[in-house]
Amino acid sequence: KAGVTQTPRYLIKTRGQQVTLSCSPISGHRSVSWYQQTPGQGLQFLFEYFSETQRNKGNFPGRFSGRQFSNSRSEMNVSTLELGDSALYLCASSLYGRAWGNEQFFGPGTRLTVL
Amino acid sequence: TQLLEQSPQFLSIQEGENLTVYCNSSSVFSSLQWYRQEPGEGPVLLVTVVTGGEVKKLKRLTFQFGDARKDSSLHITAAQTGDTGLYLCAGVAGTASKLTFGTGTRLQVTL
Repeated sequence: KAGVTQTPRYLIKTRGQQVTLSCSPISGHRSVSWYQQTPGQGLQFLFEYFSETQRNKGNFPGRFSGRQFSNSRSEMNVSTLELGDSALYLCASSLYGRAWGNEQFFGPGTRLTVL
Repeated sequence: TQLLEQSPQFLSIQEGENLTVYCNSSSVFSSLQWYRQEPGEGPVLLVTVVTGGEVKKLKRLTFQFGDARKDSSLHITAAQTGDTGLYLCAGVAGTASKLTFGTGTRLQVTL
């Protein structure tokens, strides 16, 4: 069974630009969660999508948005990039999305650098 | 905001030594998970503990969930170089579907 895939793996953007990251969950998984990982703040939850609906949201500004398609693939978008958005963005998929009792499988992440 | 503090932040030991990593919070969690992350990869789940006082063993790794479900520990016996990585605890509160991650412990095991 193929794991969670994220594209692209590396991305360099400049301040003010926008970026779209893609995540393909494990086949059959309906929940996709996104996390931001930085050296200073660690791993922080962005949002979770289940059956094309955003079910949970972390404390990030509205510049961060996401969506999920009918095939469970998900994208996240960051508009008006800031230097502080430089981070590793991780996607995790699970069967039902309820973290308790359901293992989340993480992708390798997309390393975003904002110059 | 629920916070999970891990200690120590960094640990550098030699192969064969034992170590313990702690994960503490003032909040109660319905379950707690431990992950290991290696450079260039996403975190990989090691274990989930659910019941207060629960102890789980995974080969040389022993995980314990505190009685009050506010804290957890990871003990590694006879560490090996392959244990090197970032160890993360993550808690789930109630039936929420998001994980709250700890601050992380970076472990380096050398020969």
